[in-house]
Amino acid sequence: RKEVEQDPGPFNVPEGATVAFNCTYSNSASQSFFWYRQDCRKEPKLLMSVYSSGNEDGRFTAQLNRASQYISLLIRDSKLSDSATYLCVVTFLEYGNKLVFGAGTILRVKS
Amino acid sequence: GAGVSQSPSNKVTEKGKDVELRCDPISGHTALYWYRQSLGQGLEFLIYFQGNSAPDKSGLPSDRFSAERTGGSVSTLTIQRTQQEDSAVYLCASSSPLTGANTEAFFGQGTRLTVV
Repeated sequence: RKEVEQDPGPFNVPEGATVAFNCTYSNSASQSFFWYRQDCRKEPKLLMSVYSSGNEDGRFTAQLNRASQYISLLIRDSKLSDSATYLCVVTFLEYGNKLVFGAGTILRVKS
Repeated sequence: GAGVSQSPSNKVTEKGKDVELRCDPISGHTALYWYRQSLGQGLEFLIYFQGNSAPDKSGLPSDRFSAERTGGSVSTLTIQRTQQEDSAVYLCASSSPLTGANTEAFFGQGTRLTVV
Protein backbone atom coordinates (compact mmCIF):
# COMPACT_ATOMS: atom_id res chain seq x y z
CA ARG A 1 0.00 0.00 0.00
CA LYS A 2 1.33 3.45 -0.88
CA GLU A 3 2.00 5.77 2.04
CA VAL A 4 -0.31 8.45 0.59
CA GLU A 5 -2.84 7.65 -2.11
CA GLN A 6 -4.94 9.93 -4.28
CA ASP A 7 -7.21 9.42 -7.25
CA PRO A 8 -5.16 10.90 -10.11
CA GLY A 9 -8.26 12.09 -11.98
CA PRO A 10 -8.60 14.14 -14.06
CA PHE A 11 -11.77 15.60 -12.62
CA ASN A 12 -13.45 17.61 -15.37
CA VAL A 13 -16.12 19.91 -13.93
CA PRO A 14 -18.06 22.96 -15.16
CA GLU A 15 -17.62 26.37 -13.61
CA GLY A 16 -19.70 26.74 -10.47
CA ALA A 17 -19.63 23.04 -9.63
CA THR A 18 -18.70 21.57 -6.28
CA VAL A 19 -15.93 18.99 -6.37
CA ALA A 20 -14.34 16.86 -3.66
CA PHE A 21 -11.07 14.97 -3.49
CA ASN A 22 -10.09 12.31 -0.99
CA CYS A 23 -6.70 11.14 0.08
CA THR A 24 -5.84 8.10 2.21
CA TYR A 25 -2.69 7.61 4.26
CA SER A 26 -1.12 4.50 5.71
CA ASN A 27 0.47 5.68 8.95
CA SER A 28 -2.01 6.01 11.80
CA ALA A 29 0.54 8.01 13.82
CA SER A 30 0.69 10.81 11.26
CA GLN A 31 0.35 14.21 12.88
CA SER A 32 0.20 16.89 10.22
CA PHE A 33 -1.79 17.12 7.02
CA PHE A 34 -1.82 19.59 4.16
CA TRP A 35 -3.23 20.25 0.73
CA TYR A 36 -0.88 21.75 -1.83
CA ARG A 37 -1.67 23.11 -5.25
CA GLN A 38 0.60 22.82 -8.27
CA ASP A 39 -0.02 24.80 -11.42
CA CYS A 40 1.37 23.62 -14.74
CA ARG A 41 5.16 24.03 -14.88
CA LYS A 42 5.26 25.63 -11.43
CA GLU A 43 6.40 24.44 -8.05
CA PRO A 44 3.84 23.17 -5.49
CA LYS A 45 2.52 25.72 -3.01
CA LEU A 46 0.60 25.31 0.20
CA LEU A 47 -3.16 25.64 -0.27
CA MET A 48 -4.17 24.92 3.29
CA SER A 49 -3.33 22.94 6.38
CA VAL A 50 -5.84 20.38 7.60
CA TYR A 51 -6.81 20.52 11.24
CA SER A 52 -8.48 17.82 13.31
CA SER A 53 -11.68 19.83 13.64
CA GLY A 54 -11.78 20.61 9.92
CA ASN A 55 -11.19 24.04 8.48
CA GLU A 56 -12.49 26.33 5.82
CA ASP A 57 -10.86 29.01 3.72
CA GLY A 58 -13.32 30.75 1.47
CA ARG A 59 -14.56 28.24 -1.08
CA PHE A 60 -12.21 25.53 0.19
CA THR A 61 -12.99 23.14 3.04
CA ALA A 62 -10.57 20.53 4.36
CA GLN A 63 -11.49 17.68 6.68
CA LEU A 64 -9.61 14.96 8.49
CA ASN A 65 -10.94 11.54 9.43
CA ARG A 66 -8.34 9.89 11.65
CA ALA A 67 -10.36 6.74 12.24
CA SER A 68 -10.50 5.98 8.53
CA GLN A 69 -7.16 7.63 7.79
CA TYR A 70 -8.24 9.98 5.07
CA ILE A 71 -8.38 13.69 4.41
CA SER A 72 -10.63 15.50 2.00
CA LEU A 73 -10.74 18.76 0.11
CA LEU A 74 -14.01 20.30 -1.02
CA ILE A 75 -14.08 23.13 -3.53
CA ARG A 76 -17.34 25.01 -3.93
CA ASP A 77 -18.33 27.26 -6.82
CA SER A 78 -15.37 26.14 -8.95
CA LYS A 79 -13.55 28.78 -10.96
CA LEU A 80 -11.50 28.36 -14.12
CA SER A 81 -8.50 29.44 -12.07
CA ASP A 82 -8.93 26.43 -9.77
CA SER A 83 -7.63 24.20 -12.56
CA ALA A 84 -4.46 22.65 -11.17
CA THR A 85 -3.08 19.52 -9.56
CA TYR A 86 -3.95 19.13 -5.88
CA LEU A 87 -1.43 17.28 -3.74
CA CYS A 88 -2.20 15.64 -0.44
CA VAL A 89 0.67 15.79 2.09
CA VAL A 90 1.07 13.85 5.32
CA THR A 91 3.84 13.77 7.90
CA PHE A 92 5.32 10.45 8.93
CA LEU A 93 6.92 10.13 12.34
CA GLU A 94 9.32 7.60 10.93
CA TYR A 95 12.43 9.50 9.79
CA GLY A 96 11.55 12.46 12.02
CA ASN A 97 8.27 13.89 10.79
CA LYS A 98 9.11 13.54 7.13
CA LEU A 99 6.55 15.02 4.73
CA VAL A 100 5.17 12.56 2.20
CA PHE A 101 3.43 13.83 -0.92
CA GLY A 102 0.69 12.06 -2.79
CA ALA A 103 0.91 11.86 -6.57
CA GLY A 104 -1.80 14.50 -6.99
CA THR A 105 -5.30 14.86 -8.38
CA ILE A 106 -5.81 16.83 -11.58
CA LEU A 107 -8.73 19.25 -11.65
CA ARG A 108 -9.91 20.87 -14.86
CA VAL A 109 -12.64 23.46 -14.57
CA LYS A 110 -14.31 24.30 -17.88
CA SER A 111 -16.58 27.13 -18.95
CA GLY B 1 16.11 36.08 -0.32
CA ALA B 2 13.63 34.54 2.07
CA GLY B 3 12.63 31.57 -0.06
CA VAL B 4 14.23 28.34 -1.22
CA SER B 5 16.76 29.08 -3.93
CA GLN B 6 17.84 26.58 -6.58
CA SER B 7 20.54 26.90 -9.18
CA PRO B 8 20.90 26.72 -12.04
CA SER B 9 17.32 27.29 -13.15
CA ASN B 10 18.03 25.51 -16.42
CA LYS B 11 20.77 23.09 -17.36
CA VAL B 12 21.41 21.43 -20.68
CA THR B 13 24.07 18.75 -20.62
CA GLU B 14 25.40 16.08 -22.91
CA LYS B 15 24.71 12.44 -22.18
CA GLY B 16 27.47 10.97 -20.06
CA LYS B 17 28.45 14.23 -18.35
CA ASP B 18 28.12 14.84 -14.61
CA VAL B 19 25.91 17.61 -13.26
CA GLU B 20 25.54 19.29 -9.89
CA LEU B 21 22.32 20.92 -8.78
CA ARG B 22 22.27 23.24 -5.82
CA CYS B 23 19.60 24.02 -3.24
CA ASP B 24 19.79 26.80 -0.68
CA PRO B 25 16.97 26.24 1.84
CA ILE B 26 15.21 28.78 3.99
CA SER B 27 17.47 29.80 6.85
CA GLY B 28 16.86 27.70 9.95
CA HIS B 29 14.98 24.94 8.17
CA THR B 30 16.37 21.61 9.30
CA ALA B 31 14.55 19.38 6.82
CA LEU B 32 15.40 19.38 3.13
CA TYR B 33 13.86 17.32 0.35
CA TRP B 34 14.80 16.60 -3.24
CA TYR B 35 12.15 15.55 -5.76
CA ARG B 36 12.09 15.23 -9.49
CA GLN B 37 9.16 15.66 -11.82
CA SER B 38 8.98 14.59 -15.42
CA LEU B 39 6.61 16.40 -17.75
CA GLY B 40 3.01 15.60 -16.90
CA GLN B 41 3.98 13.31 -14.03
CA GLY B 42 3.73 13.54 -10.25
CA LEU B 43 6.49 14.32 -7.78
CA GLU B 44 9.06 11.54 -7.42
CA PHE B 45 10.75 11.56 -4.01
CA LEU B 46 14.53 11.28 -4.14
CA ILE B 47 16.04 11.99 -0.73
CA TYR B 48 15.26 13.60 2.62
CA PHE B 49 17.76 15.33 4.91
CA GLN B 50 17.31 16.10 8.55
CA GLY B 51 20.23 18.38 9.36
CA ASN B 52 23.28 16.97 7.60
CA SER B 53 22.16 13.36 7.71
CA ALA B 54 19.90 11.61 5.23
CA PRO B 55 17.56 9.29 7.11
CA ASP B 56 15.73 8.44 3.91
CA LYS B 57 17.52 8.13 0.60
CA SER B 58 15.26 5.40 -0.68
CA GLY B 59 14.12 7.40 -3.70
CA LEU B 60 17.51 7.77 -5.38
CA PRO B 61 16.97 5.85 -8.64
CA SER B 62 20.51 4.53 -9.08
CA ASP B 63 24.03 4.82 -7.76
CA ARG B 64 24.64 7.57 -10.32
CA PHE B 65 22.63 9.84 -8.03
CA SER B 66 24.04 11.21 -4.79
CA ALA B 67 23.33 14.15 -2.54
CA GLU B 68 25.00 15.84 0.34
CA ARG B 69 24.22 18.60 2.73
CA THR B 70 26.82 20.55 4.63
CA GLY B 71 26.47 22.82 7.62
CA GLY B 72 22.80 21.91 7.86
CA SER B 73 22.14 24.30 5.01
CA VAL B 74 23.04 24.08 1.33
CA SER B 75 22.51 20.79 -0.45
CA THR B 76 23.97 19.51 -3.70
CA LEU B 77 22.43 16.79 -5.83
CA THR B 78 24.94 15.18 -8.16
CA ILE B 79 24.06 13.04 -11.15
CA GLN B 80 26.96 11.18 -12.70
CA ARG B 81 27.10 9.95 -16.28
CA THR B 82 23.76 11.54 -17.11
CA GLN B 83 21.28 9.67 -19.26
CA GLN B 84 18.40 11.03 -21.32
CA GLU B 85 15.88 9.60 -18.86
CA ASP B 86 17.35 11.89 -16.20
CA SER B 87 15.76 14.85 -17.99
CA ALA B 88 13.21 16.34 -15.59
CA VAL B 89 12.61 19.25 -13.26
CA TYR B 90 14.46 18.74 -9.99
CA LEU B 91 12.68 20.39 -7.08
CA CYS B 92 14.03 21.13 -3.64
CA ALA B 93 11.90 21.88 -0.59
CA SER B 94 12.68 22.76 2.99
CA SER B 95 10.71 22.75 6.22
CA SER B 96 11.24 23.07 9.91
CA PRO B 97 9.53 20.04 11.44
CA LEU B 98 10.91 20.63 14.89
CA THR B 99 9.10 23.90 15.47
CA GLY B 100 5.54 22.70 15.60
CA ALA B 101 3.01 20.21 14.40
CA ASN B 102 1.79 21.97 11.28
CA THR B 103 4.94 22.95 9.46
CA GLU B 104 4.66 23.33 5.74
CA ALA B 105 7.34 22.71 3.15
CA PHE B 106 8.42 25.50 0.85
CA PHE B 107 9.62 24.69 -2.63
CA GLY B 108 12.21 26.27 -4.82
CA GLN B 109 11.41 26.99 -8.44
CA GLY B 110 13.34 23.96 -9.58
CA THR B 111 16.15 23.16 -11.98
CA ARG B 112 15.06 22.03 -15.41
CA LEU B 113 17.60 19.47 -16.56
CA THR B 114 17.78 18.45 -20.19
CA VAL B 115 20.15 15.69 -21.24
CA VAL B 116 20.86 15.68 -24.97
